[in-house]
Amino acid sequence: QVQLVESGGGLVKPGGSLRLSCAASGFTFSDFYMGWIRQAPGTGLEWVSYIRGDGGNFYYADSVKGRFTISRDNAKTSLSLQMNSLSVEDTAVYYCVRLDGDYEAFNSWGQGTLVTVSS
Amino acid sequence: QSVLTQPPSVSGAPGQTVTISCTGGSSNFGTGYDVQWYQQLPGAAPKLLIYGDIKRPSGVPDRFSGSKSGTSASLAISGLQAEDEAHYYCQSFDTNLREVFGGGTKLTVL
Repeated sequence: QVQLVESGGGLVKPGGSLRLSCAASGFTFSDFYMGWIRQAPGTGLEWVSYIRGDGGNFYYADSVKGRFTISRDNAKTSLSLQMNSLSVEDTAVYYCVRLDGDYEAFNSWGQGTLVTVSS
Repeated sequence: QSVLTQPPSVSGAPGQTVTISCTGGSSNFGTGYDVQWYQQLPGAAPKLLIYGDIKRPSGVPDRFSGSKSGTSASLAISGLQAEDEAHYYCQSFDTNLREVFGGGTKLTVL
């Protein structure tokens, strides 16, 4: 079965950096777009970024463009999100997600990792 | 302000049918992009409930159904059960912003 396990969350000061990771298993990792969706405390869902199966194409929400970098290692079936210049508005649970091959649907989600940006 | 608009809350008694609306615009539903629906139980990650407007992933009960017409979509839940109490989110592709979500609707089972 599909499993997505995030790690790397924690407390960081404004202006700091953090790197999230997602270990994937149970499917052919390189066949799928993978991405990140976040949820600030008590609020709704916000798409952050995703990357094509071969790593050749990637997209970012305007709110993180220029600060966050998504990458993947298909040999290790892992996904990463390098987050720089963090602000309090980036505080959220970050979910690793898999995009369906035929629809714009996020059909698998990890349990999430909490990132708290605070001084 | 979300690109897709949902009511903040809906409620219904066990056994009833409730409907959650999701209103988009010309850059998403109006262009023909599909709507997806997600269920988020308290303390859990979201789960895909409906995709491609009307399709259910395996394991999702047929009490959950989706529809879309023009720039509006709906999720209907029939035979309401206590375990349906959750937040529900609609999502689509947008030509300007890529992936967009509704603000979410909290369903309360009375």
